[in-house]
Amino acid sequence: DGGITQSPKYLFRKEGQNVTLSCEQNLNHDAMYWYRQDPGQGLRLIYYSQIVNDFQKGDIAEGYSVSREKKESFPLTVTSAQKNPTAFYLCASSTFRGVGGPTDTQYFGPGTRLTVL
Amino acid sequence: AQSVTQLDSHVSVSEGTPVLLRCNYSSSYSPSLFWYVQHPNKGLQLLLKYTSAATLVKGINGFEAEFKKSETSFHLTKPSAHMSDAAEYFCVVSNTDTGRRALTFGSGTRLQVQP
Repeated sequence: DGGITQSPKYLFRKEGQNVTLSCEQNLNHDAMYWYRQDPGQGLRLIYYSQIVNDFQKGDIAEGYSVSREKKESFPLTVTSAQKNPTAFYLCASSTFRGVGGPTDTQYFGPGTRLTVL
Repeated sequence: AQSVTQLDSHVSVSEGTPVLLRCNYSSSYSPSLFWYVQHPNKGLQLLLKYTSAATLVKGINGFEAEFKKSETSFHLTKPSAHMSDAAEYFCVVSNTDTGRRALTFGSGTRLQVQP
């Protein structure tokens, strides 16, 4: 059963702590993405990776870090430098056919809701 | 630069009546356009996708959307609403001119379906 899994579903963090959100996919996709969703808003891109061992900042990367050591995995760390981390975090993946090629459909995981206490 | 405007933050319809969710986009190049649906506390599910083939795109669950370049619109429609259609809907645009391949999301339209 192919898909994208995110864990945990709910996460609580004390101020000053770093936390890591997991994202795993078994779709054999090259590209993976992290988005943040706030109430009443669309999604905003945090980081993305088009190939293993490479990743790029999105629109709101400050206070976040990622790694891409394996094709299947793209964990996101929310650091203490992120001033307002309470949000719903969504991971997505897609194939990647290169610059100038057609946009590949992104498939989303179920999300992690992070709350800062 | 690309952008998406969803013209209604909330839409309420009665079960069995048509649904219209409006979306306008701005893009420097030929865009790819998507509609996604999100049920509460869930991830996003792709409804349909336009990539410069037929301008009328059929999706899942009876939804369809028409790409109108002259109006820069990509409105989502369904002939007859079902209670299970109640959710948040996002119109999304992506350009092929950058390597980023990330999506630009509209702010969403919450669809309510009244019995």
